[in-house]
Amino acid sequence: AQSVSQHNHHVILSEAASLELGCNYSYGGTVNLFWYVQYPGQHLQLLLKYFSGDPLVKGIKGFEAEFIKSKFSFNLRKPSVQWSDTAEYFCAVNANNAGNMLTFGGGTRLMVKP
Amino acid sequence: DVKVTQSSRYLVKRTGEKVFLECVQDMDHENMFWYRQDPGLGLRLIYFSYDVKMKEKGDIPEGYSVSREKKERFSLILESASTNQTSMYLCASSLTRGPNTEAFFGQGTRLTVV
Repeated sequence: AQSVSQHNHHVILSEAASLELGCNYSYGGTVNLFWYVQYPGQHLQLLLKYFSGDPLVKGIKGFEAEFIKSKFSFNLRKPSVQWSDTAEYFCAVNANNAGNMLTFGGGTRLMVKP
Repeated sequence: DVKVTQSSRYLVKRTGEKVFLECVQDMDHENMFWYRQDPGLGLRLIYFSYDVKMKEKGDIPEGYSVSREKKERFSLILESASTNQTSMYLCASSLTRGPNTEAFFGQGTRLTVV
């Protein structure tokens, strides 16, 4: 069965600091990878996704993520965070033999201090 | 824009009650999902459906059932609510059956069982 680990449960940064949130998964086959974001009081929305091709993917609001197959990782990055990035971030994996099942990590709650 | 609507934002129910959570999507999506979201555990899949009257168990189906009589509507049923089912419940939908599709989420229903 596939599983997803997010290493940091809570991250606190000051504005303009750089961000990297870790995500590792445990499935050895072909995977599709996602980062979702949940702003306070809002629904989950897609930040970016990786299916194939260039392992460095760019998403909305200046976020990017790099798929490193050898490390089973899909870390999320942003060079300079803003107060409005305060949210909870979820990594998700769908393995090609898992039908439509998206498996989520435990989430990372990011707080950006103004 | 895809819209996934959950009938209630907040619900308070008594132990032993039968509880219905309703979800409607307006984009003719084939797949619909029910997750529960708990702090530190991320989102865990309860049930999903890839067609009318079809359902498959997710990771934590015990104590729940689902109904999909129409393509746009997916209901989650707690047959006899218990306090350990107090949680945030999220409904999602996606377009095709393949894994390479984005899931769109509703606003969530915060259920408290007392």
